[in-house]
Formats: sequence, C-alpha cells, structure tokens
Amino acid sequence: EAQVTQNPRYLITVTGKKLTVTCSQNMNHEYMSWYRQDPGLGLRQIYYSMNVEVTDKGDVPEGYKVSRKEKRNFPLILESPSPNQTSLYFCASRGGDHGYTFGSGTRLTVV
Amino acid sequence: AQKITQTQPGMFVQEKEAVTLDCTYDTSDQSYGLFWYKQPSSGEMIFLIYQGSYDEQNATEGRYSLNFQKARKSANLVISASQLGDSAMYFCAMREPYILTGGGNKLTFGTGTQLKVEL
Repeated sequence: EAQVTQNPRYLITVTGKKLTVTCSQNMNHEYMSWYRQDPGLGLRQIYYSMNVEVTDKGDVPEGYKVSRKEKRNFPLILESPSPNQTSLYFCASRGGDHGYTFGSGTRLTVV
Repeated sequence: AQKITQTQPGMFVQEKEAVTLDCTYDTSDQSYGLFWYKQPSSGEMIFLIYQGSYDEQNATEGRYSLNFQKARKSANLVISASQLGDSAMYFCAMREPYILTGGGNKLTFGTGTQLKVEL
C-alpha cells in the first residue's frame, strides 16, 4: 500500500530534550515536506526537500532541522524543543500532478 | 505570495442537505492547483478533490464537487446529501506553481472550516 509513515503518533516531551519525528514513504517520491497545524492557522510548511540532499526552509523553519540522506526518509529534528512547538505535525510527499500523500500526523506536546 | 481564505470557521448542516464551504484564493500565477482536504477528529488528512486552473469543467468526486469561478478566484466545495460522517474540519489548499528556485510543490492552506452535520 502506498503510504507515508510517521512515528511516533503521540509524543510528550520536556523543554530542551532533543527529539526526532521520523517520516518514510514507499512511493519513490522525490518531493517531501513537513507541516505543522495550529488552531486558527491551518497548516504551515516547515521544511521541504526536492530530492536527496536537497532541502530548504518553508514558512516556519525556526527551531527545526531536517535531513534527506535517502529518498524514502525525511526526519524532522527538534534539537531543543520549546512549548511553542506544541503542535500537530504532518509529513507529506508528492508524486504526479496532484498526488500529495500525508502521513497520519504526530501530536507533539512540549512541557 | 499565494493566500487562501476560508471565512467560515464553523458551519452546521442537517443530514441529507447540501452544504457549500467557501474558499477564495489570491495568486498572480496563471497555473495553479486547488485542493480540498477533510480532517476528521482522528487527525488524518484525507484528499477529497482537485481542480487545475486550466480545467474547464468543475471537478466532481462522488458527493463532492468544486464550484470553480476563476474570475472571482473562488473554489467552493459543495457536499451533497450530507452524512453524519461528513462532520470534520475541511481545508482548502493551493499548490504553488513549479519554479526552478524551489518550493515548487508547496501547498498553501486556509485556516479551515469545521463542519457539523446534525440529525
């Protein structure tokens, strides 16, 4: 089944403790991206990647890092999480003209 | 920069009635794509329907149709014969045109409309 897999689904962590949210797709898509969703703001792009070793900032990149060492994986790294990064996070990949596939989301709480 | 506006934070509709969710967009580009997604309370993003800017016909997918008015820059979602399972958050989104400088596949989202279907 074609899918984007995010882990974990839920995470509660403390301020300053580094964490990684993993994202993997099995569709051989070149383009992948991360979004965060906050009430009243919709989804906003954090980072995106056009291909292996090609990444760039989206609209809200502060406090986040990404890497793209393999085509299928695009992890999101929070090196020193803060409470304002409490959010619902989505990884997505794109193939074809309008074929975006989203992961199931990661609900992150930073206390 | 592209912008998507959804002016209805919340809406109610009775079961079996039709409902229209509004979406307007702002872009100076000629080539773009418009999407609607459904987000149930479980949180996942479910693709509903797509309209390309050059598509002459309004897109339809089962009970979903997109009322595309290019001159008015609106892309309203129409759900016919609403069902209880349609209760969810609905997002309108626009794909940024592909450009060599990057960001070419970015989706810009509106703030969403929470739809509640009542008996």
